[in-house]
Amino acid sequence: SQQGEEDPQALSIQEGENATMNCSYKTSINNLQWYRQNSGRGLVHLILIRSNEREKHSGRLRVTLDTSKKSSSLLITASRAADTASYFCAGTMDSSYKLIFGSGTRLLVRP
Amino acid sequence: DAGVIQSPRHEVTEMGQEVTLRCKPISGHNSLFWYRQTMMRGLELLIYFNNNVPIDDSGMPEDRFSAKMPNASFSTLKIQPSEPRDSAVYLCASSLRLAGWETQYFGPGTRLLVL
Repeated sequence: SQQGEEDPQALSIQEGENATMNCSYKTSINNLQWYRQNSGRGLVHLILIRSNEREKHSGRLRVTLDTSKKSSSLLITASRAADTASYFCAGTMDSSYKLIFGSGTRLLVRP
Repeated sequence: DAGVIQSPRHEVTEMGQEVTLRCKPISGHNSLFWYRQTMMRGLELLIYFNNNVPIDDSGMPEDRFSAKMPNASFSTLKIQPSEPRDSAVYLCASSLRLAGWETQYFGPGTRLLVL
């Protein structure tokens, strides 16, 4: 019943490199959000992009949204070891306020 | 603000026992969500409340699961009787509904192990 599928499932990079994670979804959305989850912790909201927006920036994060392709990407620039976590995309549909989460990307940033 | 508070953080119980998980949302938030997270199924929404009223419980797996929100500052998720397949991390989140765009704030979760 997951709305989003993330790609890749796992990503390992060197500190300082950029990390790109992709999310594809099946139905129309009102907005798409990205969350981070550190091991053993709850999810932390990173950024929200609305369906009428194409790109959004927040610090080292850049999110794009292509509603025609039903896809979004999250770019983390100049990665740090502290960015090691799982990253989830999540969307809301129609008039519902439910968040439907993707399966997540596990990011490992090697020092 | 202390954020969303969940208790207990860890729970180990035996099959057949009743389990009660607790959540205190962020003050002023009017929506509350319970999720279950497993490796196999990822994050699943179990139920969500708005203004203390259950809006959608279609994700509740079966009658053994029940959730209540007696007031704006407290919610419980109960499993009775518990089974080994209920082992998971249970996450509670709260938000403030605003014009259709909302961010959910998550608690640290309760890690449940049913033996």
